[in-house]
Amino acid sequence: QAVVTQEPSLTVSPGGTVTLTCGSSTGAVTSGHYPYWFQQKPGQAPRTLIYDTSNKRSWTPARFSGSLLGGKAALTLSGAQPEDEAEYYCLLSYSGARVFGGGTKLTVL
Amino acid sequence: QVQLQQSGPGLVKPSQTLSLTCAISGDSVSSNSAAWNWIRQSPSRGLEWLGRTYYKSKWYDDYAVSVKSRITINPDTSKNQFSLQLNSVTPEDTAVYYCARDKIVGATTLNFDYWGQGSLVTVSS
Repeated sequence: QAVVTQEPSLTVSPGGTVTLTCGSSTGAVTSGHYPYWFQQKPGQAPRTLIYDTSNKRSWTPARFSGSLLGGKAALTLSGAQPEDEAEYYCLLSYSGARVFGGGTKLTVL
Repeated sequence: QVQLQQSGPGLVKPSQTLSLTCAISGDSVSSNSAAWNWIRQSPSRGLEWLGRTYYKSKWYDDYAVSVKSRITINPDTSKNQFSLQLNSVTPEDTAVYYCARDKIVGATTLNFDYWGQGSLVTVSS
């Protein structure tokens, strides 16, 4: 089974920009892995921010964007807000199977 | 509005079978444009997709390699629900278990667009 890797933790200043990445043990992440990004706050189920690399859900703030960067999937937050402090998980698809990354704890400080 | 309501025991003894059910309202387990997943989360293992079942002229399932030998996900069309059975559990299977829906919209699959409320299952004697 593939292993999906994320930064364990990152810190961003309010109003700042940060990029979270998502790599695959099988090689470069491509659009064919249909990268997803989820945000999870304590006591809540994860919620989709980005699907299929760069598509946003209706509730996704404009400050979040998804892309492929250097062989990884990337989630960029531009203009961080205190309410963006959360755990972020990526998800990659491998044919019928899905694998989550270990999550990035994002601190806004 | 889709709702997923989970039920099942919160405590399971080691070596026994973990069983959870996810009752669906607002959609059909037999829908040709949906798939029905189980996911779990624990501090040690993080989020882990376990598997899914879906109907496209016949029933299909996909399972994570990590649990493939121990897991069964079954649809129940008479009750519009689906279930998780995980055999031979150990304390490592202690986690919050979620059911979740995939929705197929045109050429796109929206993974996990609706989630159940989560069920904490503890494996302990």
